Amino acid sequence: NAGVTQTPKFQVLKTGQSMTLQCAQDMNHNSMYWYRQDPGMGLRLIYYSASEGTTDKGEVPNGYNVSRLNKREFSLRLESAAPSQTSVYFCASSSLGGGRENIQYFGAGTRLSVL
Amino acid sequence: DAKTTQPTSMDCAEGRAANLPCNHSTISGNEYVYWYRQIHSQGPQYIIHGLKNNETNEMASLIITEDRKSSTLILPHATLRDTAVYYCIVRVMYSNSGYALNFGKGTSLLVTP
Repeated sequence: NAGVTQTPKFQVLKTGQSMTLQCAQDMNHNSMYWYRQDPGMGLRLIYYSASEGTTDKGEVPNGYNVSRLNKREFSLRLESAAPSQTSVYFCASSSLGGGRENIQYFGAGTRLSVL
Repeated sequence: DAKTTQPTSMDCAEGRAANLPCNHSTISGNEYVYWYRQIHSQGPQYIIHGLKNNETNEMASLIITEDRKSSTLILPHATLRDTAVYYCIVRVMYSNSGYALNFGKGTSLLVTP
């Protein structure tokens, strides 16, 4: 049982390049999330998916797109990377979307640098 | 949406209890309080959550005041491996379809030998 798996672990991009961050969970969770964490800051929500087939914007969605490919997988795409998107990206999943209890389980993160 | 307030940093001697406070004065009646921690550069780790009653698990205890405006996370016997940033969190509603956790800056706990 791997939990939440993120790939890649590290990535360096040049400004303007595109890439997709992959996330998969094996806990049969309905909801999945993408966060970013800048140095010395807490996590900020980029996008989330309450259930398969739905996605919604979080606090900082600009410059990103997401795809909930199936129940297991939720990808985050940067179409034209900018230095301001240099950050650590975390994917999470939880069993309940709109329920009262929302225990999220996190992946190990993707460390992205945009030069 | 409810916000939380935590001290920026705290110290604790190894083997002693670490008591981490959190204020959440605007929490609504059916909102849970969650505690997570993040050990350097790793993904956040769930610790415990509660609604009204005090809760205990193998990692920690959570004490919630009767008016639910504040809570305290207790690590009964802190070890060096408990050095981390601890987040006290209440849910945020981003749309009609779902909720997410609102992470602030947390409390940086340093456990010293």
